[in-house]
Amino acid sequence: EDQVTQSPEALRLQEGESSSLNCSYTVSGLRGLFWYRQDPGKGPEFLFTLYSAGEEKEKERLKATLTKKESFLHITAPKPEDSATYLCAVRSGTASKLTFGTGTRLQVTL
Amino acid sequence: DVKVTQSSRYLVKRTGEKVFLECVQDMDHENMFWYRQDPGLGLRLIYFSYDVKMKEKGDIPEGYSVSREKKERFSLILESASTNQTSMYLCASSVGGDYGYTFGSGTRLTVV
Repeated sequence: EDQVTQSPEALRLQEGESSSLNCSYTVSGLRGLFWYRQDPGKGPEFLFTLYSAGEEKEKERLKATLTKKESFLHITAPKPEDSATYLCAVRSGTASKLTFGTGTRLQVTL
Repeated sequence: DVKVTQSSRYLVKRTGEKVFLECVQDMDHENMFWYRQDPGLGLRLIYFSYDVKMKEKGDIPEGYSVSREKKERFSLILESASTNQTSMYLCASSVGGDYGYTFGSGTRLTVV
């Protein structure tokens, strides 16, 4: 059974204070690790897909990296508009379904 | 942009009612999914479908059923609503393969 654990549960940063969110996973045959952003009362919004260890992807102030056991979402010089819950999910085997972690709730203050 | 539309943002239903949650996608995606999201538990898969009239149980199918009569529409049915089904329900679709999901905005269901 696939398992995804995200840490920390919540993170409060000041504007400009860089940090990283962690996603640890256990799967048999990773076919993709996905990061989503979710704003309150809305559905998750796709950010990145990573497929193999060593892969990195960037979007504005966000950079996602992948190892064989975990993924990190690095946030560089965050702004208040980066405040959201960030979700990690994995796909394994031949199925299209994703298994999600419980998310990290990020708050960025002025 | 792919759009996934859920028919209601908020619903309040009584215990024992039959509840229909509707989801429509406009990009001819093969795969559609229903999740529920609860604090501390994350997103949990209820049912999914790879094709018209095809369905598979997810991790928590008890108390739910689904219908997919047309490719673009995937309905979640609560046969007899109970208070423990109060939750945020999220529909998603994907083209398949190694692509991610596109989610709808969610339906917040309260069962009283």
